[in-house]
Amino acid sequence: AQSVAQPEDQVNVAEGNPLTVKCTYSVSGNPYLFWYVQYPNRGLQFLLKYITGDNLVKGSYGFEAEFNKSQTSFHLKKPSALVSDSALYFCAVRDKAGTALIFGKGTTLSVSS
Amino acid sequence: DGGITQSPKYLFRKEGQNVTLSCEQNLNHDAMYWYRQDPGQGLRLIYYSQIVNDFQKGDIAEGYSVSREKKESFPLTVTSAQKNPTAFYLCATQAGQGYTGELFFGEGSRLTVL
Repeated sequence: AQSVAQPEDQVNVAEGNPLTVKCTYSVSGNPYLFWYVQYPNRGLQFLLKYITGDNLVKGSYGFEAEFNKSQTSFHLKKPSALVSDSALYFCAVRDKAGTALIFGKGTTLSVSS
Repeated sequence: DGGITQSPKYLFRKEGQNVTLSCEQNLNHDAMYWYRQDPGQGLRLIYYSQIVNDFQKGDIAEGYSVSREKKESFPLTVTSAQKNPTAFYLCATQAGQGYTGELFFGEGSRLTVL
C-alpha cells in the first residue's frame, strides 16, 4: 500500500534563511508526488508535483522540491523564507491511476521575522 | 468564477442527527473526493467518485454516505453512526482520470457535534 511520511511536525526558520520540509514515501511502482499548502481554516492549495523527468521541480511562490528515488524522498525547499510562508504543508503520493491521493500528516512551518 | 463551493462553512449538530455537506463544482472535472481533517492526523479519505453514479469507499467510510447523481455535485452525509464526527471536511476535484492530475480543494466545512 502507498504511504507518505512527514517526519517533522513543525519546522522553524528565520526570515531570509533557506527552508526544507521533509517528505518520504512508499509505493509499489513509480511515485507521483505532490506538495500542498494550507492556511488556517482554508482549503489546500497546490504548490508543485513530480511526475517524471527532471528531479528538481519548481512550483508556486518560489518553492521547489527534489525527487530522490534512492532515498524515496521528495523534500520541499525554498532558498529564502518569508513570514508569509508560515502555514501547514502537506506531501501527497499516488502510485497509479484510479487511486486517490494519500496525504502525510502535515508539517507546520513557522517563519520568524 | 470556476471553482468548488462547499456549504455550509460551519455546521453544528446534535448527537443522533444526520447532516449533509454540500460540494458543488463548475470545473467540469470527473473525479471528486471527500477528505476529513483532524489536527495532527492530516487528511484521511472518506469517499471518492471518478464518474457519475459510481463511487468508492476510502479509508474511513464508516458512518458516512455519498451520492453522485450529477457531475457537478458530490454531497456527503454524516450519519448518526459516525461516532466522532467533529472535524474539518474538505471536498476536492481532479481533472481527468490519470495519474498526474493535482487536486483542487474547496474551502472546507467545519462540523461540530454538540
